[in-house]
Amino acid sequence: AQSVAQPEDQVNVAEGNPLTVKCTYSVSGNPYLFWYVQYPNRGLQFLLKYITGDNLVKGSYGFEAEFNKSQTSFHLKKPSALVSDSALYFCAVRDDRGFQKLVFGTGTRLLVSP
Amino acid sequence: GAGVSQTPSNKVTEKGKYVELRCDPISGHTALYWYRQSLGQGPEFLIYFQGTGAADDSGLPNDRFFAVRPEGSVSTLKIQRTERGDSAVYLCASSPQGQVSGANVLTFGAGSRLTVL
Repeated sequence: AQSVAQPEDQVNVAEGNPLTVKCTYSVSGNPYLFWYVQYPNRGLQFLLKYITGDNLVKGSYGFEAEFNKSQTSFHLKKPSALVSDSALYFCAVRDDRGFQKLVFGTGTRLLVSP
Repeated sequence: GAGVSQTPSNKVTEKGKYVELRCDPISGHTALYWYRQSLGQGPEFLIYFQGTGAADDSGLPNDRFFAVRPEGSVSTLKIQRTERGDSAVYLCASSPQGQVSGANVLTFGAGSRLTVL
């Protein structure tokens, strides 16, 4: 069965500093990996995905994520954080064997201080 | 429509009542998903439709929960004899297709917040 772990409930970073939000996963086949962001009273918004190819994927709002197969990780990163990046971030995984269920982690709250 | 639309945005009901939550997906999206998000948790899969049929309903917690999508577009999630533990935000998502690739991005609605008193 697929599963996702986001080990940090909250990440605090100062504006202008780099940020990392951690995610590890478990699937039976090859993973399809996604990051979503959730602002208060808003739906989940897609940030980026890894399907195949280059391990470093770039997404919306300057975010990027690095796929590491040996560590089964897909950490979200941004070189310079903005206060407006403060939100709830979810990592999610699907199995490439045709199972359509997208499994989410418990989320990490990112707080960027001015 | 331009996005996934969910109604009502908020629903307060009493324990034991029946509730319907509606989802209007993006036009042309054949795959539709229902998720449930409890406070402090990530979205939890409930059911997935490919067209009119439920391709995977393994996430429905019990037989009080049922969902339909009779014409392959709008879907309704139905909850009978509601319990306080059903209180959550119910999220709907759609994607262009739900084929083997599994790489398609889900577009989510804003959710329906259900409170059972």
